[in-house]
Amino acid sequence: EVQLVESGGGLVQPGRSLRLSCAASGFTFDEYAMHWVRQAPGKGLEWVSGISWNGNNIGYADSVKGRFTISRDNAKNSVYLQMNSLRAEDTAFYFCTKDIYDYVWGAMLFWGQGTLVTVSS
Amino acid sequence: QSALTQPPSASGSPGQSVTISCTGTSSDVGGYYYVSWYQQHPGKAPKLMIYEVSKRPSGVPNRFSGSKSGNTASLTVSGLRAEDEGDYYCSSYAGSNILVFGGGTKLTVL
Repeated sequence: EVQLVESGGGLVQPGRSLRLSCAASGFTFDEYAMHWVRQAPGKGLEWVSGISWNGNNIGYADSVKGRFTISRDNAKNSVYLQMNSLRAEDTAFYFCTKDIYDYVWGAMLFWGQGTLVTVSS
Repeated sequence: QSALTQPPSASGSPGQSVTISCTGTSSDVGGYYYVSWYQQHPGKAPKLMIYEVSKRPSGVPNRFSGSKSGNTASLTVSGLRAEDEGDYYCSSYAGSNILVFGGGTKLTVL
């Protein structure tokens, strides 16, 4: 059974940093692209970042480019999102997702339950 | 990176069909066949319903179908059922490892 478990969310002040982690199990992790998708409370989905199976192909939404960094450790079956210079508008549930492809084509078949990031003073 | 355009709401009676549109540009929807549709129920994680414009993952009823014409993709739900009610989002590959979502459509089964 595929499982994606996010951790690292919480309350953080504007301008500070936070690192999200996603532990994956139930599939061959190093064969698939992974993504982070966020959803502000009561709002729609926003793709944040994606990383290919080998980490060589990475993309970011304009809203986070230069502030967020995605990475993966295939030995640990984990994907990460380093979030710097956080803003109030980054407040959202952050979902870790698994693509059906090895590259960032964007068919997200499996989703974690999400971790809430709240940016507030 | 502009969000894809979806109608905010759609509705239909049980047994009827409803189609939700998703309009982008030649740089995303019109340029690639990597268009996906997701269903989300309140308090739940989204569920992949359609990928590569018209393919259904295992377990998704064939009442759900997808298509694309030019810069607009469409999701059609036939034989509407109460459990189809929820929010629907389209997404598209937009080149250079970038994805973009639509704003979402709230489907109401009357």
